[in-house]
Amino acid sequence: GDSVTQMEGPVTLSEEAFLTINCTYTATGYPSLFWYVQYPGEGLQLLLKATKADDKGSNKGFEATYRKETTSFHLEKGSVQVSDSAVYFCALSANYGGSQGNLIFGKGTKLSVKP
Amino acid sequence: ETGVTQSPTHLIKTRGQQVTLRCSSQSGHNTVSWYQQALGQGPQFIFQYYREEENGRGNFPPRFSGLQFPNYSSELNVNALELDDSALYLCASSPRSSYNEQFFGPGTRLTVL
Repeated sequence: GDSVTQMEGPVTLSEEAFLTINCTYTATGYPSLFWYVQYPGEGLQLLLKATKADDKGSNKGFEATYRKETTSFHLEKGSVQVSDSAVYFCALSANYGGSQGNLIFGKGTKLSVKP
Repeated sequence: ETGVTQSPTHLIKTRGQQVTLRCSSQSGHNTVSWYQQALGQGPQFIFQYYREEENGRGNFPPRFSGLQFPNYSSELNVNALELDDSALYLCASSPRSSYNEQFFGPGTRLTVL
């Protein structure tokens, strides 16, 4: 079945460091891909998305490119801030049949940014 | 614009009891999905409701059931609670025009003792 694998954390960085969180997926067809962020004690917030191959999603300095050839959707940010400390989830949504609207999540990667 | 709201925030139940969790969808959204997030894990899809009918279900037993009301709000009911049901339950709403762009509520933390 469809699945998402993301790098295990925790990831600890200093402020202004470069961030990469790896995400790969297995899916039938052409899924939509997402990154969600969860701050402590809160629900999930959609960070960015891409719906087809080679699309780049971006928001708040974060970027991710939908790479069909490597089935990847890695999250990057050039300069992290303390306020970026959170848990990041990679997710996919299949675009076929009864699986439409069913988000499949990775296990999450906890990011801690130190001042 | 009001976002997705859920109630209660926290809940403690004992094994074998039944529980009802509630969700109000974001204004203009007519599709509601429920997820279970165990500690340290990603959310797992339970089911989705559209036009008051179940529109997809994950790998959860029938004791997990739901309702959607005409105002698009929703309930998640869990019967015969088990210890493993302890988790954060997340509700997400989406417009039908963009069903896979889901907006999440803050969740209900359920503890089963």
